[in-house]
Amino acid sequence: SQQGEEDPQALSIQEGENATMNCSYKTSINNLQWYRQNSGRGLVHLILIRSNEREKHSGRLRVTLDTSKKSSSLLITASRAADTASYFCATDPDSGGGADGLTFGKGTHLIIQP
Amino acid sequence: NAGVMQNPRHLVRRRGQEARLRCSPMKGHSHVYWYRQLPEEGLKFMVYLQKENIIDESGMPKERFSAEFPKEGPSILRIQQVVRGDSAAYFCASSPKGYFGEQFFGPGTRLTVL
Repeated sequence: SQQGEEDPQALSIQEGENATMNCSYKTSINNLQWYRQNSGRGLVHLILIRSNEREKHSGRLRVTLDTSKKSSSLLITASRAADTASYFCATDPDSGGGADGLTFGKGTHLIIQP
Repeated sequence: NAGVMQNPRHLVRRRGQEARLRCSPMKGHSHVYWYRQLPEEGLKFMVYLQKENIIDESGMPKERFSAEFPKEGPSILRIQQVVRGDSAAYFCASSPKGYFGEQFFGPGTRLTVL
């Protein structure tokens, strides 16, 4: 079953506005990561938040993690046209082993209108 | 420091042929992961390898798919007797030895089966 589920599936906002995307997951995790994918390209890592962290910032990005609700949010402030991309959350399950494959959601497609 | 390299970037095969996808991890990285992405979908984990060892192949189809990461040279994802349903983007990622967190993705190989 799908581990990460992003919400909404698509989001269109005006340049300068803030964009918020949400992610829910099912099992316990070591960490949760957000990646960006421009159309037809590979994934770019944005930010990682560990299971014992509640909030993390990186430039215009703010990520929160609520392990009790098994959810995370990604906020992009002061959006720019270049932020247009698909955004994926990926969880690193707490399987007790070594570095494992990440589990990705289907992504949120963000469109920033100039 | 070159990133993760994948080749070819685009591969076209007819049904029944074999597809070989190559991935060279970042320098110093000994963990390699393969993912498949169908159109409008998130990435699905296929296999996790370290040098000369398959660590986790829980995401690999039981038949026709195989992967290796030899002592020398790139990691290879091999698909025998391809079918139209194999058409997808295949991404390779790598991470340093013993590191639990961010994975560094290559640009992907887009496989089209005619």
